Amino acid sequence: DAKTTQPPSMDCAEGRAANLPCNHSTISGNEYVYWYRQIHSQGPQYIIHGLKNNETNEMASLIITEDRKSSTLILPHATLRDTAVYYCIVRVAGYGNKLVFGAGTILRVKS
Amino acid sequence: DTEVTQTPKHLVMGMTNKKSLKCEQHMGHRAMYWYKQKAKKPPELMFVYSYEKLSINESVPSRFSPECPNSSLLNLHLHALQPEDSALYLCASSQDKSYNEQFFGPGTRLTVL
Repeated sequence: DAKTTQPPSMDCAEGRAANLPCNHSTISGNEYVYWYRQIHSQGPQYIIHGLKNNETNEMASLIITEDRKSSTLILPHATLRDTAVYYCIVRVAGYGNKLVFGAGTILRVKS
Repeated sequence: DTEVTQTPKHLVMGMTNKKSLKCEQHMGHRAMYWYKQKAKKPPELMFVYSYEKLSINESVPSRFSPECPNSSLLNLHLHALQPEDSALYLCASSQDKSYNEQFFGPGTRLTVL
């Protein structure tokens, strides 16, 4: 699986968009980008995933660059409840089982 | 019901004790997972069950013994643990093992004295 690189921490003002970057320069053509988050003292929560097109759901948007070497998770209007560790994971779809979590990005949303 | 439940929430045990962690889901998922998470570290996969059969054991010591009695239940039996086994133990499930969208429970915080 491709390795991912994320900044260790980021701050965001409440109500503003939070843009979390992820580099995955060695991603293969059949690997998807998955995002999970873990709020303090809770289990991880699946957010979104994508292959090459931009994706949006009720929680977030995922923007993947044309060369697929990086992506950005966007929380459009961050709230204090979005403070969490955000994990970017690259994985081949259809070969589940083994999610390998990196260190992630600690997002702090501040009022 | 889109929830994975885990009991107990907290567990303190001695090194000679035997205890069990329980995980339950009623989403009809056929893959279930155990992860271990040390403080300030990401979760690490321990075991995967697919259709009630052990699919992956990530070289976990035998003092951890998983069991999947039916498609909704996953247990983790603990015996002769060490203090370094103190961690948050997370259970997850997915539709089947080919799906990377996993649903996690809140975890059991284990302390080994």
